[in-house]
Amino acid sequence: GAGVSQSPRYKVAKRGQDVALRCDPISGHVSLFWYQQALGQGPEFLTYFQNEAQLDKSGLPSDRFFAERPEGSVSTLKIQRTQQEDSAVYLCASSIRQGEVYEQYFGPGTRLTVT
Amino acid sequence: ILNVEQSPQSLHVQEGDSTNFTCSFPSSNFYALHWYRWETAKSPEALFVMTLNGDEKKKGRISATLNTKEGYSYLYIKGSQPEDSATYLCASLYSGAGSYQLTFGKGTKLSVIP
Repeated sequence: GAGVSQSPRYKVAKRGQDVALRCDPISGHVSLFWYQQALGQGPEFLTYFQNEAQLDKSGLPSDRFFAERPEGSVSTLKIQRTQQEDSAVYLCASSIRQGEVYEQYFGPGTRLTVT
Repeated sequence: ILNVEQSPQSLHVQEGDSTNFTCSFPSSNFYALHWYRWETAKSPEALFVMTLNGDEKKKGRISATLNTKEGYSYLYIKGSQPEDSATYLCASLYSGAGSYQLTFGKGTKLSVIP
Protein backbone atom coordinates (compact mmCIF):
# COMPACT_ATOMS: atom_id res chain seq x y z
CA GLY A 1 0.00 0.00 0.00
CA ALA A 2 0.96 3.66 -0.21
CA GLY A 3 3.36 4.92 2.38
CA VAL A 4 3.71 8.35 3.93
CA SER A 5 4.27 11.05 1.35
CA GLN A 6 5.58 14.57 1.81
CA SER A 7 5.69 17.58 -0.47
CA PRO A 8 7.60 19.41 -1.63
CA ARG A 9 10.70 17.23 -1.39
CA TYR A 10 12.95 20.28 -1.59
CA LYS A 11 12.19 23.89 -0.76
CA VAL A 12 14.43 26.93 -0.97
CA ALA A 13 13.12 29.99 0.80
CA LYS A 14 14.54 33.44 1.25
CA ARG A 15 14.95 34.58 4.81
CA GLY A 16 11.69 36.07 6.01
CA GLN A 17 9.43 34.07 3.69
CA ASP A 18 6.64 31.82 4.95
CA VAL A 19 6.66 28.14 3.94
CA ALA A 20 4.13 25.31 4.16
CA LEU A 21 5.15 21.66 4.20
CA ARG A 22 2.60 18.94 3.54
CA CYS A 23 2.33 15.41 4.89
CA ASP A 24 -0.01 12.67 3.64
CA PRO A 25 -0.01 9.88 6.23
CA ILE A 26 -0.94 6.27 5.68
CA SER A 27 -4.72 6.00 5.42
CA GLY A 28 -6.32 5.09 8.72
CA HIS A 29 -3.36 6.04 10.87
CA VAL A 30 -4.55 7.92 13.92
CA SER A 31 -1.19 9.25 15.06
CA LEU A 32 0.93 11.75 13.16
CA PHE A 33 4.31 13.15 14.19
CA TRP A 34 6.60 15.88 12.83
CA TYR A 35 10.36 15.78 13.36
CA GLN A 36 13.15 18.18 12.41
CA GLN A 37 16.62 16.96 11.47
CA ALA A 38 19.34 19.56 11.38
CA LEU A 39 22.60 18.80 9.61
CA GLY A 40 24.71 16.32 11.56
CA GLN A 41 21.99 15.64 14.12
CA GLY A 42 19.36 13.00 14.63
CA PRO A 43 15.70 13.83 14.02
CA GLU A 44 14.10 15.80 16.86
CA PHE A 45 10.43 15.72 17.85
CA LEU A 46 8.35 18.77 16.99
CA THR A 47 4.69 17.94 17.47
CA TYR A 48 2.09 15.15 17.67
CA PHE A 49 -1.50 14.79 16.46
CA GLN A 50 -4.07 12.21 17.41
CA ASN A 51 -6.63 12.49 14.64
CA GLU A 52 -7.25 16.23 14.33
CA ALA A 53 -6.20 17.07 17.88
CA GLN A 54 -2.72 18.44 18.45
CA LEU A 55 -1.92 16.79 21.78
CA ASP A 56 1.74 17.70 22.06
CA LYS A 57 3.55 20.68 20.60
CA SER A 58 6.33 20.79 23.13
CA GLY A 59 9.05 20.41 20.48
CA LEU A 60 8.11 23.39 18.32
CA PRO A 61 11.15 25.69 18.56
CA SER A 62 9.32 29.00 18.37
CA ASP A 63 5.92 30.57 17.79
CA ARG A 64 6.88 30.91 14.12
CA PHE A 65 6.16 27.19 13.77
CA PHE A 66 2.56 26.11 13.42
CA ALA A 67 1.07 22.72 12.52
CA GLU A 68 -2.45 21.61 11.74
CA ARG A 69 -4.37 18.49 10.76
CA PRO A 70 -7.91 19.81 10.37
CA GLU A 71 -9.63 16.64 9.12
CA GLY A 72 -7.46 14.11 10.86
CA SER A 73 -5.60 13.03 7.76
CA VAL A 74 -3.33 15.44 5.82
CA SER A 75 -1.13 17.65 7.98
CA THR A 76 0.63 20.91 7.20
CA LEU A 77 3.63 22.34 9.01
CA LYS A 78 3.91 26.07 8.49
CA ILE A 79 6.95 28.15 9.27
CA GLN A 80 6.52 31.91 9.28
CA ARG A 81 9.31 34.43 8.66
CA THR A 82 11.87 31.70 8.02
CA GLN A 83 15.34 32.07 9.49
CA GLN A 84 18.60 30.39 8.46
CA GLU A 85 18.50 28.17 11.53
CA ASP A 86 15.25 26.68 10.18
CA SER A 87 17.24 24.96 7.42
CA ALA A 88 16.76 21.26 8.04
CA VAL A 89 15.01 18.12 6.84
CA TYR A 90 11.44 17.99 8.11
CA LEU A 91 10.15 14.44 8.55
CA CYS A 92 6.59 13.33 9.01
CA ALA A 93 5.65 9.97 10.48
CA SER A 94 2.35 8.20 11.05
CA SER A 95 1.33 5.30 13.21
CA ILE A 96 -1.83 3.23 13.64
CA ARG A 97 -1.91 4.62 17.17
CA GLN A 98 0.68 5.67 19.65
CA GLY A 99 2.22 3.34 22.18
CA GLU A 100 5.27 1.27 22.96
CA VAL A 101 5.01 -1.33 20.24
CA TYR A 102 3.65 0.68 17.35
CA GLU A 103 6.03 1.48 14.53
CA GLN A 104 6.19 4.98 13.19
CA TYR A 105 6.27 5.02 9.39
CA PHE A 106 8.24 7.90 7.96
CA GLY A 107 7.94 9.91 4.78
CA PRO A 108 11.01 10.89 2.74
CA GLY A 109 11.17 14.33 4.28
CA THR A 110 11.22 17.88 2.97
CA ARG A 111 14.65 19.48 2.80
CA LEU A 112 14.25 23.18 3.57
CA THR A 113 17.08 25.56 2.78
CA VAL A 114 16.74 29.16 3.93
CA THR A 115 19.05 31.58 2.13
CA ILE B 1 15.60 15.01 28.26
CA LEU B 2 16.89 11.71 26.91
CA ASN B 3 20.39 11.41 25.48
CA VAL B 4 20.69 8.64 22.91
CA GLU B 5 24.20 7.95 21.69
CA GLN B 6 25.33 5.91 18.71
CA SER B 7 28.77 4.68 17.82
CA PRO B 8 30.65 4.69 15.63
CA GLN B 9 29.56 7.81 13.76
CA SER B 10 30.63 6.25 10.46
CA LEU B 11 31.99 2.97 9.29
CA HIS B 12 33.54 1.61 6.09
CA VAL B 13 33.58 -2.15 5.59
CA GLN B 14 34.43 -4.47 2.73
CA GLU B 15 31.68 -6.45 1.05
CA GLY B 16 31.25 -9.74 2.90
CA ASP B 17 32.45 -8.43 6.26
CA SER B 18 30.19 -8.60 9.28
CA THR B 19 29.79 -5.50 11.40
CA ASN B 20 27.95 -4.12 14.40
CA PHE B 21 27.00 -0.75 15.88
CA THR B 22 26.03 0.38 19.34
CA CYS B 23 23.14 2.44 20.64
CA SER B 24 23.12 3.57 24.28
CA PHE B 25 20.17 5.17 26.04
CA PRO B 26 19.02 5.99 29.58
CA SER B 27 17.73 2.80 31.20
CA SER B 28 15.27 4.57 33.49
CA ASN B 29 11.67 5.00 32.29
CA PHE B 30 12.36 2.79 29.28
CA TYR B 31 9.47 2.07 26.93
CA ALA B 32 10.87 0.83 23.62
CA LEU B 33 13.87 1.01 21.33
CA HIS B 34 13.42 1.50 17.59
CA TRP B 35 15.99 0.87 14.84
CA TYR B 36 15.67 2.50 11.43
CA ARG B 37 17.61 2.22 8.19
CA TRP B 38 17.78 5.42 6.13
CA GLU B 39 19.08 5.52 2.60
CA THR B 40 19.77 8.88 1.01
CA ALA B 41 16.70 10.44 -0.64
CA LYS B 42 14.42 7.72 0.71
CA SER B 43 12.16 7.34 3.75
CA PRO B 44 13.62 5.93 6.96
CA GLU B 45 12.68 2.25 7.02
CA ALA B 46 11.68 0.64 10.30
CA LEU B 47 13.85 -2.38 11.13
CA PHE B 48 12.95 -3.37 14.68
CA VAL B 49 10.86 -2.29 17.65
CA MET B 50 12.20 -3.84 20.84
CA THR B 51 10.69 -3.64 24.30
CA LEU B 52 11.87 -6.53 26.47
CA ASN B 53 15.23 -6.87 28.21
CA GLY B 54 17.23 -9.62 26.50
CA ASP B 55 15.12 -9.38 23.35
CA GLU B 56 16.75 -10.44 20.11
CA LYS B 57 15.22 -9.77 16.71
CA LYS B 58 16.31 -10.79 13.24
CA LYS B 59 15.41 -9.73 9.71
CA GLY B 60 17.46 -11.48 7.05
CA ARG B 61 21.13 -10.71 7.65
CA ILE B 62 20.36 -7.99 10.20
CA SER B 63 19.77 -8.69 13.87
CA ALA B 64 19.54 -6.65 17.06
CA THR B 65 19.80 -7.24 20.78
CA LEU B 66 18.52 -5.19 23.69
CA ASN B 67 19.75 -4.72 27.26
CA THR B 68 17.36 -2.40 29.09
CA LYS B 69 19.07 -2.74 32.46
CA GLU B 70 22.34 -1.29 31.25
CA GLY B 71 20.82 0.80 28.49
CA TYR B 72 22.28 -0.45 25.23
CA SER B 73 21.33 -2.15 21.99
CA TYR B 74 23.53 -3.69 19.31
CA LEU B 75 22.71 -3.95 15.63
CA TYR B 76 24.55 -6.66 13.69
CA ILE B 77 24.87 -7.05 9.94
CA LYS B 78 26.20 -10.38 8.72
CA GLY B 79 28.01 -10.52 5.38
CA SER B 80 27.59 -6.85 4.46
CA GLN B 81 26.46 -6.05 0.92
CA PRO B 82 26.72 -2.74 -0.98
CA GLU B 83 22.94 -2.34 -0.67
CA ASP B 84 23.36 -2.23 3.12
CA SER B 85 25.02 1.17 2.74
CA ALA B 86 22.82 3.59 4.66
CA THR B 87 22.54 5.50 7.91
CA TYR B 88 21.27 3.38 10.79
CA LEU B 89 19.33 5.30 13.41
CA CYS B 90 18.24 4.15 16.81
CA ALA B 91 15.59 5.91 18.85
CA SER B 92 14.31 5.48 22.37
CA LEU B 93 10.61 5.97 22.96
CA TYR B 94 9.98 8.66 25.54
CA SER B 95 6.73 9.58 27.24
CA GLY B 96 6.44 13.33 26.80
CA ALA B 97 3.88 15.95 27.68
CA GLY B 98 1.14 14.43 25.57
CA SER B 99 2.65 11.74 23.42
CA TYR B 100 5.12 8.93 23.06
CA GLN B 101 8.02 10.60 21.28
CA LEU B 102 11.05 9.07 19.63
CA THR B 103 14.38 10.51 20.74
CA PHE B 104 16.96 9.69 18.10
CA GLY B 105 20.70 9.23 18.13
CA LYS B 106 22.76 10.89 15.42
CA GLY B 107 23.07 7.66 13.48
CA THR B 108 25.83 5.41 12.20
CA LYS B 109 26.64 5.87 8.52
CA LEU B 110 27.66 2.57 6.97
CA SER B 111 29.48 2.37 3.65
CA VAL B 112 30.03 -1.09 2.17
CA ILE B 113 32.85 -1.17 -0.36
CA PRO B 114 32.35 -3.67 -3.21
